Amino acid sequence: SYVLTQPPSVSVAPGKTARLTCGENNIGSKRVHWYQQKPGQAPVLVVYDDSDRPSGMSERFSGSNSGNTATLTISRVEAGDEADYYCQVWDKTNDDRVFGGGTKLTVL
Amino acid sequence: QVQLQESGPGLVKPSQTLSLTCSVSGVSISSGDYYWSWIRQPAGKGLEWIGRFYASGSTSFNTSLKSRVTISKDTSKNQFSLKLNSVTAADTAVYYCVRGLPSRGSYYFDLWGQGILVTVSS
Repeated sequence: SYVLTQPPSVSVAPGKTARLTCGENNIGSKRVHWYQQKPGQAPVLVVYDDSDRPSGMSERFSGSNSGNTATLTISRVEAGDEADYYCQVWDKTNDDRVFGGGTKLTVL
Repeated sequence: QVQLQESGPGLVKPSQTLSLTCSVSGVSISSGDYYWSWIRQPAGKGLEWIGRFYASGSTSFNTSLKSRVTISKDTSKNQFSLKLNSVTAADTAVYYCVRGLPSRGSYYFDLWGQGILVTVSS
């Protein structure tokens, strides 16, 4: 089964660009989705199908996926972006929806 | 406005059955456009998909949990339910009911309930 690897933590200064990765062998062959979860709240979809944004989601959130790594990029980082971020794929073999372990984004 | 709301006991004894209900408003769970899932999150840990059903009635479950999980629906009340039997302390978590969408050969979750904390303890 799939095991999606995310770095436990990433730190970035306000106004800079954060790049959060999600790794798995040949993940580029799958569609990757990203969720933001702030403390005490339910997750929120920020990017789906590698690079599409839900209606109303800030253009500062973008995604890419190639080879063994998918990346969520947050441009012009703001204090309000501080949260846990999870990647997710569909494991077609087992019909499982698989999540990565999550990355805690800290805004310095 | 579409909303999902979980309800059920916040405390379950070990070896018993955890039962939760998700009440959906603003869209029919019989709509073939969506699938409906349960996802859980132990305190301080990541997300774990439990299972889902389609309007057609088909179900699918996490491989590691499928022997203990049942998901059912009540279309007259626009609700769906989760039953997890033989619970242990490891099943203590916040449980979310979630709406999912199939898209371009994959599936993602576009709308989440607020979550309900279920503690397994005697």
